[in-house]
Amino acid sequence: GAGVSQSPSNKVTEKGKDVELRCDPISGHTALYWYRQSLGQGLEFLIYFQGNSAPDKSGLPSDRFSAERTGGSVSTLTIQRTQQEDSAVYLCASCKALGGNTEAFFGQGTRLTVV
Amino acid sequence: AQTVTQSQPEMSVQEAETVTLSCTYDTSENNYYLFWYKQPPSRQMILVIRQEAYKQQNATENRFSVNFQKAAKSFSLKISDSQLGDTAMYFCAFMKSSAGGTSYGKLTFGQGTILTVHP
Repeated sequence: GAGVSQSPSNKVTEKGKDVELRCDPISGHTALYWYRQSLGQGLEFLIYFQGNSAPDKSGLPSDRFSAERTGGSVSTLTIQRTQQEDSAVYLCASCKALGGNTEAFFGQGTRLTVV
Repeated sequence: AQTVTQSQPEMSVQEAETVTLSCTYDTSENNYYLFWYKQPPSRQMILVIRQEAYKQQNATENRFSVNFQKAAKSFSLKISDSQLGDTAMYFCAFMKSSAGGTSYGKLTFGQGTILTVHP
């Protein structure tokens, strides 16, 4: 597709289970970001991938959170031993440096509910 | 580290009126981009307008314009002739860039401003 695709759209999981959230960025975009958004709140930065550089993991809230980006394309955010406070919308964005036309494109997000 | 601050959690405006949303940021970088994104209830983030820091001229996109004050580190968004469809949460964002304009680095967002346009 032409846009950033995230799956699943919604995920309900039991406390203590692991979950994987997927992001398919726009083809050719070298930068990929993950954010977390609680209801009615702002975007909390989680992790950033740029090409072959080491990812910026400074926003990951705990060691239960990890992410990888395979082949510089698809990214997976993994949350282990989920807690109720992990419930939020997880947004992915990708970006290609185009000088004056730089723009980050966002997916629709994955709404995670931990029960 | 960069920080972005939006001091207005909520704003409201009458249809057809003009409203200004505030944003300030803190950075030691000289080359960067600033953005305003809109997030309607559908949750889809949409770029409203972008400004390159090296450009002195304020960016304009139809009814949307910015007042970019680099020395003051201020980047406000003006919406003219407000429409009901402008109702959304608006986010100000910062991205560091290289001197050549190749953007890189973390995209940092403010806390957001909920804008409601009343008929």
